[in-house]
Amino acid sequence: EAGVTQSPTHLIKTRGQQATLRCSPISGHTSVYWYQQALGLGLQFLLWYDEGEERNRGNFPPRFSGRQFPNYSSELNVNALELEDSALYLCASRGPGTGTDTQYFGPGTRLTVL
Amino acid sequence: GNSVTQMEGPVTLSEEAFLTINCTYTATGYPSLFWYVQYPGEGLQLLLKATKADDKGSNKGFEATYRKETTSFHLEKGSVQVSDSAVYFCALSESGGYQKVTFGIGTKLQVIP
Repeated sequence: EAGVTQSPTHLIKTRGQQATLRCSPISGHTSVYWYQQALGLGLQFLLWYDEGEERNRGNFPPRFSGRQFPNYSSELNVNALELEDSALYLCASRGPGTGTDTQYFGPGTRLTVL
Repeated sequence: GNSVTQMEGPVTLSEEAFLTINCTYTATGYPSLFWYVQYPGEGLQLLLKATKADDKGSNKGFEATYRKETTSFHLEKGSVQVSDSAVYFCALSESGGYQKVTFGIGTKLQVIP
């Protein structure tokens, strides 16, 4: 069974540009979560999508947004990039229903803002 | 709100030493508890989990027991190897439909030969 995949592996942008990160969940999983792992700050919850809807978001400004497609893959968009957006962005997926509570993580996208 | 507290490290051990990484949590309800491991340059991998009080999760020689009375989920391994060098994250998942996971800060483990 294929795991969670993310693309690209690395992304280099300059301040003010936009970044788009992509995530494909494990087959059959309907929920996708996005996390930011910045140096020294641990993992911070960004967004949760389930069945195509945004269910919750963490304490991040509106320039962090995303969407989930009908095939349950997801996209994270970061507008007006700032230097402090440099981080590893992790996507995780979870199976349907409230009885499945384990999230499975992808390898991440390393975003560098210059 | 929910929170997870774990030692920040780094923890440096010699090969075959005993490992304990402490983790305590604050949560409403009855969360599930997890340990994730992150090897250098990689994403997080689920190491083990426990879903109710007194459950013991185990995998690859690692163990952790869900202690509701002390709100703890300490990670242990009897004999560490160099290949265990990684960052270990304790986490909890809220019960119910939201399923947000709250992570600890992560503990870096370095095992030297």
